[in-house]
Amino acid sequence: KQEVTQIPAALSVPEGENLVLNCSFTDSAIYNLQWFRQDPGKGLTSLLLIQSSQREQTSGRLNASLDKSSGRSTLYIAASQPGDSATYLCAVQARGSQGNLIFGKGTKLSVKP
Amino acid sequence: NAGVTQTPKFQVLKTGQSMTLQCAQDMNHEYMSWYRQDPGMGLRLIHYSVGAGITDQGEVPNGYNVSRSTTEDFPLRLLSAAPSQTSVYFCASSVRGETEKLFFGSGTQLSVL
Repeated sequence: KQEVTQIPAALSVPEGENLVLNCSFTDSAIYNLQWFRQDPGKGLTSLLLIQSSQREQTSGRLNASLDKSSGRSTLYIAASQPGDSATYLCAVQARGSQGNLIFGKGTKLSVKP
Repeated sequence: NAGVTQTPKFQVLKTGQSMTLQCAQDMNHEYMSWYRQDPGMGLRLIHYSVGAGITDQGEVPNGYNVSRSTTEDFPLRLLSAAPSQTSVYFCASSVRGETEKLFFGSGTQLSVL
C-alpha cells in the first residue's frame, strides 16, 4: 500500500531564508507527484505537478524535484516571505489509480517577518 | 470562471440525520472526487467518478453515497450521520484524472453531534 510521509511536520524560519520541504513515498510506480498549498480554512491549491518521467518543475520561487527510484521529492522555496506561511501537502498518483491521490499529512510552514 | 464550488461551507447535524453536500464544477472536467480531511490523518479519498454515470469507492466509502448524473455535479450524501463523520470535506476535479492537476473546492466543515 502506497504511503506518503512528509518531514518535518512543522517548520519556522525567518523571512528571506531558503528552505526545503521533504516528501517520501513507498511505491515508485507513480504517474505523478503534486505539491499543494493549503491556507487555514481554505481548500488546496496545486503548486507544481511533476510527471513520473520528469526530474523537476519550477514556478517562480518554487522548485520541486522528483527522484522516483529513491521515492523522494523535495520542494525548494527561495527567499521565503511571510505570505508563504501555509501548510504544504505532497500527493502521489499511483499507476492505474484513475486520478486518485495519496496525500502526506503536510508540513506547516511559518515564515517570520 | 468559478472553478469548483461546494455548498454549504458549514453544517451541523444531529446523529442519524441525513444530508447532501453539493459540488459543482464549470470546467467540463471528467474526473471528480470527494476527500475528507481529519487532524493527524491527512486527506483520504471517499468516492470518485471518471465521468457521468460512473462512480467508484475510495479508501473510506462507508456511510456515504454518490451519484454523477451530469458532468458538472457530484453530490455526496450522508445517509445517517455519525459523530465519526465530523470532518472537513473537499470536492476536487481534473480534466481526465491521470497526469492532470487536481482543482479543489473550498471545503465543507461538518460537525455531527
